[in-house]
Amino acid sequence: ETGVTQTPRHLVMGMTNKKSLKCEQHLGHNAMYWYKQSAKKPLELMFVYSLEERVENNSVPSRFSPECPNSSHLFLHLHTLQPEDSALYLCASSQELRRVAKNIQYFGAGTRLSVL
Amino acid sequence: AQSVTQPDIHITVSEGASLELRCNYSYGATPYLFWYVQSPGQGLQLLLKYFSGDTLVQGIKGFEAEFKRSQSSFNLRKPSVHWSDAAEYFCAVGAPSGTYKYIFGTGTRLKVLA
Repeated sequence: ETGVTQTPRHLVMGMTNKKSLKCEQHLGHNAMYWYKQSAKKPLELMFVYSLEERVENNSVPSRFSPECPNSSHLFLHLHTLQPEDSALYLCASSQELRRVAKNIQYFGAGTRLSVL
Repeated sequence: AQSVTQPDIHITVSEGASLELRCNYSYGATPYLFWYVQSPGQGLQLLLKYFSGDTLVQGIKGFEAEFKRSQSSFNLRKPSVHWSDAAEYFCAVGAPSGTYKYIFGTGTRLKVLA
């Protein structure tokens, strides 16, 4: 039990669908992250939020839209995805964003996304 | 350029044997170093971290890692592997300035033979 919960665990969607991934952290952290994990590639940082403010958008296509309504919840809204977007999407959180030893990242179990 | 290399994509060991997973990094300064483990269908779990001080770091599940500045390495070890250790292991580095941007290696998949 990592304290970071992601739902759904698995998602299959068509290219014209709209869906959302949800992440909730129960650790009292102030920063939250979205990563994409594709086979044989390093983890790719997508978005970072600190105290509900987006501080990083790592050149992610606009078909991915993040939302952070409060410091405990993070969403990733998906629309008009491509098959190459199929991957494991991981959420992480950290106590703070930048201070050493306070920005250790703790991960959820991920959402396995398949785009048909 | 900053990078993390895990030279072994797959490693197979017998249960009870010792294990060493390699991690080399390229960084302008001494980074902060992490090892994470990802069991099948799961997210990444932090095994251990190095910030400063003693270069031999103890982690959870009986793992340890040694930071060797001269070799730019942070290898993960376990003296006796259990079948439940079968998973993928990721080395990661973070900047000493406290940036949140980790650089992850591509992972080493460990298979344990009974």
